[in-house]
Amino acid sequence: QKEVEQDPGPLSVPEGAIVSLNCTYSNSAFQYFMWYRQYSRKGPELLMYTYSSGNKEDGRFTAQVDKSSKYISLFIRDSQPSDSATYLCAMKKTGANNLFFGTGTRLTVIP
Amino acid sequence: DAEITQSPRHKITETGRQVTLACHQTWNHNNMFWYRQDLGHGLRLIHYSYGVQDTNKGEVSDGYSVSRSNTEDLPLTLESAASSQTSVYFCASSESRGLAGHGELFFGEGSRLTVL
Repeated sequence: QKEVEQDPGPLSVPEGAIVSLNCTYSNSAFQYFMWYRQYSRKGPELLMYTYSSGNKEDGRFTAQVDKSSKYISLFIRDSQPSDSATYLCAMKKTGANNLFFGTGTRLTVIP
Repeated sequence: DAEITQSPRHKITETGRQVTLACHQTWNHNNMFWYRQDLGHGLRLIHYSYGVQDTNKGEVSDGYSVSRSNTEDLPLTLESAASSQTSVYFCASSESRGLAGHGELFFGEGSRLTVL
């Protein structure tokens, strides 16, 4: 079993829709939870990170962590064509430098 | 601006050849990583380094090696390329904050390797 599971999609939504992206994990030692965005033929870039449980909001993006369920989510409000990318969740244990990545979900926002 | 660059961006080679992918970062980061990205597997860690002369094996290190002679560079060598090593390779770096913090990775743009 992989430590981090993510539905690869692809996911296609109309412009303006609310998008929900999710990951589950098995290791309760993970404390840092991140979302990376990767445009086609580019390297991933950090979008948001959260420490432990709770929500974090940044503009149209909201990251949620539910440690009791070992489940994290990224919500995108008012989705735009420029949001079309692959979104990768990533997790880290406190005291470690390595990240564990999900497989990524490919999102297309149709104008 | 600080950056991380990979070369070559594209390479085609033959089975059995030795291949080296270069990675150079100007962030002055201690931590450097090599990942490969394949459909259905996501990003998998190959090797990583926490500083000069330090190297460590990752999840999929067989057939790969790295060396760290300075802070800026971490070249990845495929000793004898195999078709299973056809992939997109990403180099990344991060700050060392006493092992605390979320450890944001800064990625290069990737090197696409095809082994025929």
